[in-house]
Amino acid sequence: QMQLLQSGAVLKRPGASVRVSCEASGYSFSSYDMNWVRQATGQGLEWMGWMNVVSGDAGYAQRFQGRLIMTGNSSISTAYMELSSLTSEDTAIYYCARGRGGAFVDFFGMDVWGQGTTVTVSS
Amino acid sequence: DIQLTQSPSSLSASVGDRVTISCRASQHINNFLNWFQQKPGKAPKLLIYAASNLQSGVPSRFSGSGSVTDFTLTITSLQPEDFATYYCQQSYNTPRTFGQGTKLEIK
Repeated sequence: QMQLLQSGAVLKRPGASVRVSCEASGYSFSSYDMNWVRQATGQGLEWMGWMNVVSGDAGYAQRFQGRLIMTGNSSISTAYMELSSLTSEDTAIYYCARGRGGAFVDFFGMDVWGQGTTVTVSS
Repeated sequence: DIQLTQSPSSLSASVGDRVTISCRASQHINNFLNWFQQKPGKAPKLLIYAASNLQSGVPSRFSGSGSVTDFTLTITSLQPEDFATYYCQQSYNTPRTFGQGTKLEIK
């Protein structure tokens, strides 16, 4: 059974950084990209970026440039998303989602999703 | 960035009804348009990929159509478990933008 298991909820202070992990099982981790999507309470879905878990190539949405880093460790089938300089506007549920195509076409869409990690930013 | 506009933003319907949700892209995306269903407290679930392909395990009452810039998700014979929020998303390029969502409620 293909699955993405994310790390647990966290509370962070403004200005801090957060790292969320996403462990894959049931499929070949190295054969797919990993996307990250977030959702503020009561709001829609916001795509943050993608990464190639083998090469480390990554692409980030413009609004996160400079404070978002995506990494991966193929030996443990785990992807990571680190967001720095947190503000209250970063309070959201963060999802990892399997994808393909890198910065180009993804015919099959994001078909496997993690359960989500709640990140709360508050003083 | 490619903008996706869904309509309507919300929709009330009854069990057994047929509903359609539209998604318009600000530029051509060929057929690289996906549809997701999200229920409260849950991760999104892929329903349709590449405009018209039914994801494995998704009931056949869900269907998708369209190409270039205009797309439609159709649900025939609504079931109680179909009341949720639906999002379109383009996978033609990055950033992989989403529509704003359509909330389907019970009438």
